[in-house]
Amino acid sequence: EAGVAQSPRYKIIEKRQSVAFWCNPISGHATLYWYQQILGQGPKLLIQFQNNGVVDDSQLPKDRFSAERLKGVDSTLKIQPAKLEDSAVYLCASSFGGPETQYFGPGTRLLVL
Amino acid sequence: GNSVTQMEGPVTLSEEAFLTINCTYTATGYPSLFWYVQYPGEGLQLLLKATKADDKGSNKGFEATYRKETTSFHLEKGSVQVSDSAVYFCALSEQGAQKLVFGQGTRLTINP
Repeated sequence: EAGVAQSPRYKIIEKRQSVAFWCNPISGHATLYWYQQILGQGPKLLIQFQNNGVVDDSQLPKDRFSAERLKGVDSTLKIQPAKLEDSAVYLCASSFGGPETQYFGPGTRLLVL
Repeated sequence: GNSVTQMEGPVTLSEEAFLTINCTYTATGYPSLFWYVQYPGEGLQLLLKATKADDKGSNKGFEATYRKETTSFHLEKGSVQVSDSAVYFCALSEQGAQKLVFGQGTRLTINP
């Protein structure tokens, strides 16, 4: 079974630039999550989708971050414009049931200079 | 709000030593509790879980017991191996919810 795919794996940008991350969940997983993991901290949920609807985006900085899930499958997370404090690993996860069924992708490491 | 606090790292042990990584939580109701592990260069993986008080989760020689009276879920292993070197995250999910709330992680290094 293929895992959660993310791209790119690494990205370096300058502040005020825009960046987008892509996630392809495990086939059949209805729920998709984006987490932000700042160095030395645990992952923090940014947004949760159920199929193509948003379940929870309470911690998403909506003035600069946006996310969509196309046709309930792939998802993109965008930052526009980026700030220095956005430097982090962005993790995508998908699940088919309870929280213990979350499978995580390898993450995209973003460095904002 | 819900939160998870883990012991400060990094933790360095010799092979075959006994391991304890402390985890305490704050939550309303009856959350489920988890330990995730992140091996070098790999994604987060579920290590073990417990869904109610006094449950013991176990996997790969690791154990953790859900202690509601002390709001704790400490991770233990009797004899660690070099291959256990990784970052360990304690996490919770509210009853009926899917999202996870993570602690800050503890980096474990095992020396031969």
